[in-house]
This record gives sequence, C-alpha cells and structure tokens, in this order.
Amino acid sequence: TQLLEQSPQFLSIQEGENLTVYCNSSSVFSSLQWYRQEPGEGPVLLVTVVTGGEVKKLKRLTFQFGDARKDSSLHITAAQPGDTGLYLCAGDTGGFKTIFGAGTRLFVKA
Amino acid sequence: DVKVTQSSRYLVKRTGEKVFLECVQDMDHENMFWYRQDPGLGLRLIYFSYDVKMKEKGDIPEGYSVSREKKERFSLILESASTNQTSMYLCASRPNSVRKLFFGSGTQLSVL
Repeated sequence: TQLLEQSPQFLSIQEGENLTVYCNSSSVFSSLQWYRQEPGEGPVLLVTVVTGGEVKKLKRLTFQFGDARKDSSLHITAAQPGDTGLYLCAGDTGGFKTIFGAGTRLFVKA
Repeated sequence: DVKVTQSSRYLVKRTGEKVFLECVQDMDHENMFWYRQDPGLGLRLIYFSYDVKMKEKGDIPEGYSVSREKKERFSLILESASTNQTSMYLCASRPNSVRKLFFGSGTQLSVL
C-alpha cells in the first residue's frame, strides 16, 4: 500500500512567520500535487510538480519535489491569516488513483 | 469554471437506512470519484468510475456501492448506514487529459 506521510499535522503561527510542510513516502510518484481546503469546501489544487528536483513558486508559496520523486515540501513565507486552511499533498500513481496525505491544518493568527 | 455539485451539504440518517449521495459535474469529465474524509486519515478512495456504467473499487469500498448511469452523474449508495460511516464525503471529477481533481463542497453525513 502506498502511503504519504505529512507533517506536521497541525501548525499554529503568528502572521509574518515562515513555515514548511513536509510530505514523505517510500514510493515513487509520477507527480505530486498540493491542495488547499477551506472549511465547508472541497480541496482546490494549488500546484502540480512533475520532475524530480522541480521547484515551483506561487506568490509566497514555494513547492519542491524531491530528486527521487518520493517527497515534497511546501514553504510559506510571511504567512497571512488568509493562508489558514488544510493543506493536502497528493501523489499521482499514474493510474486512476490519487494517494492523499492526512493533511496539515494551518492556523495563522493576526 | 468546472462545477461539481453535491446534492446535500448536511445529512442526518438513522442506522440501517439506505442513503443516496448524489454528485453532478458539468464539464463532461470521463472520471468521477467518491472519497471520504476523516480527521487524521486524509481522503480515502471509496469507488471511482472511468466511464458510464463502469465502476472500480477504491481502497475502502465495503458497505458502499455506486451508480453511474449518465456521464455527468455519480451516485454513492450506503445500503444500510452504520455509525462508522459518519464522515465527510467528497465527490471529485477529472478529465483523462489532466491529473487535476475537481472537488465538490462535500456532504457531512451523520449516522445516528
């Protein structure tokens, strides 16, 4: 069974702080996605990383795919209250299934 | 924008009841999925469908069935609801051409 371990599970920080969320697996994925979910809504895709070592930036968010395509990280610079939400990493197996991590619940205090 | 619509935001049912969760997508996507989301467990795949009338078991299909009679609609059925099926249920769709999942807003089901 392919698993994605996400850490930390919960993070509460002050506005302006930086943070990193990690997503690790013993399996290789053809691509890895990061979703963000707000209360009462479904997850929304933030980014897809495909190539080992790839780095993508989305404003203050930086996503990295590990060289071996088994792990990924999400770094947020100068977090804002609007960044509050549940962040989910998801590994694409190349078939129909997408494997999700358990999520990191982020709370940014003003 | 793609819209995935789940028929109910909240449902409360009794143990043993038959429960139908409906999902409709408006972008002609081939693939549709049902996940359940529980705290600390993430999203777990119940069933998926890659074409009309086609269905495949996901990781946790026990106690559930699905129906896809039309391309835009994918229904999840709990034949006899049990308390351990209390959860958030998320429907998603995606086309064959991209790996991005489009999710509905979810149905929070409580089985009492």
